Amino acid sequence: KNEVEQSPQNLTAQEGEFITINCSYSVGISALHWLQQHPGGGIVSLFMLSSGKKKHGRLIATINIQEKHSSLHITASHPRDSAVYICAVRTKEGSQGNLIFGKGTKLSVKP
Amino acid sequence: DARVTQTPRDKVTEMGQEVTMRCQPILGHNTVFWYRQTMMQGLELLAYFRNRAPLDDSGMPKDRFSAEMPDATLATLKIQPSEPRDSAVYFCASHSGFAGQPQHFGDGTRLSIL
Repeated sequence: KNEVEQSPQNLTAQEGEFITINCSYSVGISALHWLQQHPGGGIVSLFMLSSGKKKHGRLIATINIQEKHSSLHITASHPRDSAVYICAVRTKEGSQGNLIFGKGTKLSVKP
Repeated sequence: DARVTQTPRDKVTEMGQEVTMRCQPILGHNTVFWYRQTMMQGLELLAYFRNRAPLDDSGMPKDRFSAEMPDATLATLKIQPSEPRDSAVYFCASHSGFAGQPQHFGDGTRLSIL
């Protein structure tokens, strides 16, 4: 069983729809990251959180430490949001310890 | 904007050849990570360094892979001899060492071993 599970694996949405991507993990963590990987391959860190909720523009990330679950929400989705979204958890080993990655959720937003 | 620079961007070579990938971390960052991404496995940590010292290379096949930081501005990942199963995208990321800061990723080296 993977230590970090994401769902769904693939997601197709119409422009304007509200999108939710889920991440569940089974290890003790010090932080959880949401990353975005565009079709060109570059990886960008969207959020790093250890509790509660963070918001940046149309993106919202939440985490429930007790349930070991995080969600990434995109409001008013747009075709430029099409990318692979990767959840990664930082284990408790050291302050910049290992990142363990989910397999990613491929999002396609249609105009 | 400060960024992590990886070279080469793409590399195609024959099985058995030595491959060297280079990474220039963001100036002042003291932690450097090497990751590998494949379709089957997704992203995996290969090794990471703090203050140029290797902290964890348990994700790296020791017989053919080696990672070093000759100085604070250069990290290298070598494969010798290369095999077709090494074909992947290799990412370098650097971190400032301060809690609460994200890792910054390079654009990756796309490696194809024929």
